[in-house]
Amino acid sequence: GQNIDQPTEMTATEGAIVQINCTYQTSGFNGLFWYQQHAGEAPTFLSYNVLDGLEEKGRFSSFLSRSKGYSYLLLKELQMKDSASYLCAVRDRRYGNNRLAFGKGNQVVVIP
Amino acid sequence: NAGVTQTPKFQVLKTGQSMTLQCAQDMNHEYMSWYRQDPGMGLRLIHYSVGAGITDQGEVPNGYNVSRSTTEDFPLRLLSAAPSQTSVYFCASSRQGPLGETYEQYFGPGTRLTVT
Repeated sequence: GQNIDQPTEMTATEGAIVQINCTYQTSGFNGLFWYQQHAGEAPTFLSYNVLDGLEEKGRFSSFLSRSKGYSYLLLKELQMKDSASYLCAVRDRRYGNNRLAFGKGNQVVVIP
Repeated sequence: NAGVTQTPKFQVLKTGQSMTLQCAQDMNHEYMSWYRQDPGMGLRLIHYSVGAGITDQGEVPNGYNVSRSTTEDFPLRLLSAAPSQTSVYFCASSRQGPLGETYEQYFGPGTRLTVT
């Protein structure tokens, strides 16, 4: 398996910055995705990293270090609507480059 | 575009009953997949397909069948429902690159299934 690990829950204040970590172990790593999932809804795509470094998309950024098997999602200027679960998912070339393995998700609660 | 649609939204079954969860996408995506999501378990892949006529098993395929007769549709069949299949089921689709790699997946709204 891919052994994807994410912390389970964190609370942060509106306007703050929060970092959500994801570590993985696989010999066939070929890309990492971040999704946001609000309670009772479907996951929606946030970002994609396949090379080392930082990808920035507005208030959200995602970082990847392939040598460390580590990624983080940075949420800036937190808003109440950012309260959600954040899932990381790894694409693995051992499975034909098309299957994703998801972590269990990290629940972020934004408080006023 | 409607994106990915799923029906029904909610379903209650008795143990031993069978049913089909429907999934359709209008984005001409080659790749489609079914996941189940249980509390504390994350999303787990049940079956997937890389094109019409091609299906394969994922991580937790037992008790489920799929078929892909068209690019648009990817139904999931529960053969004989069990309480352990109580879950939220998501269908997803994605375009594929030249090496078969999938990109961002688009998820349907989900089907909440309870088996009593």
